[in-house]
Amino acid sequence: AQKITQTQPGMFVQEKEAVTLDCTYDTSDPSYGLFWYKQPSSGEMIFLIYQGSYDQQNATEGRYSLNFQKARKSANLVISASQLGDSAMYFCAMRDDDYKLSFGAGTTVTVRA
Amino acid sequence: DAGITQSPRHKVTETGTPVTLRCHQTENHRYMYWYRQDPGHGLRLIHYSYGVKDTDKGEVSDGYSVSRSKTEDFLLTLESATSSQTSVYFCAIRGPTNTGELFFGEGSRLTVL
Repeated sequence: AQKITQTQPGMFVQEKEAVTLDCTYDTSDPSYGLFWYKQPSSGEMIFLIYQGSYDQQNATEGRYSLNFQKARKSANLVISASQLGDSAMYFCAMRDDDYKLSFGAGTTVTVRA
Repeated sequence: DAGITQSPRHKVTETGTPVTLRCHQTENHRYMYWYRQDPGHGLRLIHYSYGVKDTDKGEVSDGYSVSRSKTEDFLLTLESATSSQTSVYFCAIRGPTNTGELFFGEGSRLTVL
C-alpha cells in the first residue's frame, strides 16, 4: 500500500522565489523518519534533508527546510531562493520501524529564469 | 562519494533471458537494498539484505531473487526477464547514522525487449 503521497506531478517556479513541495504520509508506527531526495536529470539520488518523528523543531539544511506537521501527517519541503540548478525530480520518503524506506511518486520542479 | 558501484549501468536483453545486476560497496555497511524506479511509482523496494546471506523481500519482489555471499556485494537476478521488468534499478546502502538515510548507486537501466 502506498504510504507516501506526493500530489504535485510537476511545478514551475521563478528563479529566486520559494517553492513548497507537498508530501503526506501514513503510518501507525510511533517512531519513523522522513526524507527528501533530489534526482537531477543525470539520474543520481541526492539526499537533501531528514526529519525524525520525535524531533521538536523543523529540519533545515541551507536553502531547504522541512515543514513537519505531525498531526496532519505532512512533511512538506520548502526550497527558498530557487536556482536553475534546483530543476529536478524531488522524492519524499518515509523510514518505517524496520528501517526500510518507502518513496512517493515524486514531483518535478522546473525553475524558470 | 558513498563508494557504491553498480554494474552494468545499461543493459538491453530479450524476454526470457536471465539477467544479473551487481552492486558493490566499499564502505562495509551491513544493510543493502535494491529498488526499481518507474514513472508514477517513485522507487519501490525489491529486496534488501541485513547481512551476509541474510535477505528479505520488499514490496515488489516477484520475479526477482537476490544473493549476498560477501558484505561488499549484493546481486539482483531476474531469472527470466519480462518486459514489465524494464526499469531503472538502484542499489542503496544504509548510512552509519541512526536516521536510516540511504546512499544510492548511480542506477542501472535495464530494457527487456
